[in-house]
Amino acid sequence: KAGVTQTPRYLIKTRGQQVTLSCSPISGHRSVSWYQQTPGQGLQFLFEYFSETQRNKGNFPGRFSGRQFSNSRSEMNVSTLELGDSALYLCASSLGSIREQFFGPGTRLTVL
Amino acid sequence: AQTVTQSQPEMSVQEAETVTLSCTYDTSESDYYLFWYKQPPSRQMILVIRQEAYKQQNATENRFSVNFQKAAKSFSLKISDSQLGDAAMYFCAMTEGNQFYFGTGTSLTVIP
Repeated sequence: KAGVTQTPRYLIKTRGQQVTLSCSPISGHRSVSWYQQTPGQGLQFLFEYFSETQRNKGNFPGRFSGRQFSNSRSEMNVSTLELGDSALYLCASSLGSIREQFFGPGTRLTVL
Repeated sequence: AQTVTQSQPEMSVQEAETVTLSCTYDTSESDYYLFWYKQPPSRQMILVIRQEAYKQQNATENRFSVNFQKAAKSFSLKISDSQLGDAAMYFCAMTEGNQFYFGTGTSLTVIP
């Protein structure tokens, strides 16, 4: 069974632009969570989607949004990029509970 | 607020020796789970071991074991017979409901 995949793996954007990251969960998994990882703040929970509905949300501004499709694939969008948005964005999927989640390799976003 | 604290930013261990990584957490809940994740330089986050708070028995997974002290809110990871492949960043994490909280990580170096 294929693992969690994330595309693209690397991305370079400039301030003010917007970006969309994609996550394909393990087949059969219905929950997808997103995390931001930075050297200064560590790993922070962004949000979780389950069956196309946002089930939980972390403490991030509205510039960060996401969605989930009927095939459980998820996208995360960041609008009006800031330098501080440079980070590794990790996606994780699970059947239902995030207590059983599996992580993808991440997307490295650099904002110039 | 839920917090997870890892007080050791860096640790080192000789190959074949034993090392213990520390983690403390804070929660007012009685139902929660604790985890140790490993993130090698390739960046793929891997679950090492999981502990349900309601279980008194310490979890064990091959060379990895935990010392779960619920009253003290302590959750340390012991790695026995350390191998070069154990070199990675180790994150302690806690979940309550569908929210995940990570510590800042401990970078483990294994010395040949």
